[in-house]
Order: sequence, then C-alpha cells, then structure tokens
Amino acid sequence: SQQGEEDPQALSIQEGENATMNCSYKTSINNLQWYRQNSGRGLVHLILIRSNEREKHSGRLRVTLDTSKKSSSLLITASRAADTASYFCATDAKKLVFGQGTRLTINP
Amino acid sequence: KAGVTQTPRYLIKTRGQQVTLSCSPISGHRSVSWYQQTPGQGLQFLFEYFSETQRNKGNFPGRFSGRQFSNSRSEMNVSTLELGDSALYLCASSATVTGLNTEAFFGQGTRLTVV
Repeated sequence: SQQGEEDPQALSIQEGENATMNCSYKTSINNLQWYRQNSGRGLVHLILIRSNEREKHSGRLRVTLDTSKKSSSLLITASRAADTASYFCATDAKKLVFGQGTRLTINP
Repeated sequence: KAGVTQTPRYLIKTRGQQVTLSCSPISGHRSVSWYQQTPGQGLQFLFEYFSETQRNKGNFPGRFSGRQFSNSRSEMNVSTLELGDSALYLCASSATVTGLNTEAFFGQGTRLTVV
C-alpha cells in the first residue's frame, strides 16, 4: 500500500507558469524526498527535506514540509517543456515508500 | 562517475519461466534496493541489500528473491513467472542504508513483459 498520496493526479499548465504538487503521508518519517520520472524511465532525485526542516530550495524547486499535517508540497517555478514528467514523493523510514505520483504536462 | 546500470533493459518471458535481473550500483555505494512499478500498484518496494545482507523486504511472494555480491552488484530473481509480474523493475543505489537521510540514485530499469 502507498504511504504517500500526491494531489493532483494530473496537472496541465502553460510554459512559464508555476506548478504546485502536494503530498500527504500517514506515519512518522525521517525525511521526505521528491523524484521525477520521465516516461517509462528511471527516477531522478530532486530534493530531500529532513523531518526537522520546513522549507528547502533547489534552483526552480521549492519544497515545504508540515509534519503536523503530514504533508509536503513541491513548487516548480517558471515551468519549461522539459519539466513534463511524473513527480513522486517518497517517505523514508527503513525503505522508500512512494505515492502514486502527479503527471505534469507543460504546454508550449 | 558512472550511474546505476541495470541489465537487460527489456525482457520478454513466458509464464512459468524464471528471470534474473542485474544491477550495478554507483561505485562506492553499498546499498541496493529494488522496486517494482506497475500502472495499477505504482512503485512497490521489493527488498534492500547492504553489504551482502538483506536488510528489508517488501510484501512480495517468495518467488521474488535477490542477492548482493561482495562488489555490491545485485541480482534479483523471479521464479515461476506470472502475467502480473509484467512491470518495470527499478534498482536504486545509495551510499548508506535507507533511513539515514541519504538520496537514492535509480537506474533506467528493466522492462519485463510476461506473455
């Protein structure tokens, strides 16, 4: 069963707009990670946020974590066509437990 | 440095056969984890090996097994294949065991089709 649940399941926006994806999880975590997957390929690690951190930035990515609500969000600013992919959150206890992912489509 | 290498990339097998998939982690990484990805179930954890020892196992039948060698390369084996085993199998390597705030690096996966 999945620990994390992403919302929305699919998101389609215009190039240049910002994209926000949310993740909710059920149990206590050591950290939460976000990954990107291009169609049918391996996952690429985007960012790791520890349970004692509230916000983290990496380039055009901003991740927030609210452990009291057991939720996280990933913001991609100034989206590009190359950002089209599926995005997964994963909670890290003794194993990575992934959500079902958000399919993001950037329209030129 | 070289990334995670999975072989083969694609595989077609018949029901009842067995299959072995291989994963070479990033040099220096001692942890290798395996995941199964299907459209219905998403990404499911299979098992993790660290220094040749299985540290954690997911909720899969005994037909799924794995091992890790002294050079950290890992193999997973699926016996008596079923149609439902058709999936993308992903291998991830990390410097330390999962749960210690370490990122995982994934290979491109092996696409297994069971007919």
